[in-house]
Amino acid sequence: QVQLVESGGGVVQPGRSLRLSCAASGFTFSSYGMHWVRQAPGKGLEWVAVISYDGSNKYYADSVKGRFTISRDNSKNTLYLQMNSLRAEDTAVYYCAKDGMTGDWGQGTLVTVSS
Amino acid sequence: EIVLTQSPATLSLSPGERATLSCRASQSVSSYLAWYQQKPGQAPRLLIYDASNRATGIPARFSGSGSGTDFTLTISSLEPEDFAVYYCQQRSNWLFTFGQGTRLEIK
Repeated sequence: QVQLVESGGGVVQPGRSLRLSCAASGFTFSSYGMHWVRQAPGKGLEWVAVISYDGSNKYYADSVKGRFTISRDNSKNTLYLQMNSLRAEDTAVYYCAKDGMTGDWGQGTLVTVSS
Repeated sequence: EIVLTQSPATLSLSPGERATLSCRASQSVSSYLAWYQQKPGQAPRLLIYDASNRATGIPARFSGSGSGTDFTLTISSLEPEDFAVYYCQQRSNWLFTFGQGTRLEIK
């Protein structure tokens, strides 16, 4: 079965960087696009970024464009989100999700941006 | 970008009652719409995909309908475990968009 496990969250000061990882298993990772979705405390779901199956196409929400970079390593079945210049409003649980409408999401990792 | 608008924002009902949740898209999404349930501290759980297909393991009391721009999630008879937040989702032009959610609370 599909398994997605996020890691790398934590507490970070404003302006600093953090890299999230998402380890995938149970499907052919290199055949699927992958997304990051986040949820601020008490708020709704916000799409963050998507990367195509081969990494050749990447798209971002306006709120993170120029600060966040999505990438993948198909040899390691792993998705990444490099987050730079973090702001308080980036505080959220970050989920990775397999492309499509299959509902394959990880359990999330919490990022807290605070001084 | 397609905008999804859910209504109502909050729905207060009693166990055993029927719940009807709405999701309206700013332009047609054909039948490419999903519904998720989320409980506190948990990841969203897929209920319905392609507007009307129940995901694996989802009870028959959950049903979805609609196409184009107007969609409905119906819970035929509420169980205590159904009180949660519900989101609709669509995928187009690479990205996901979500409705703002409907909170289903116990009356």
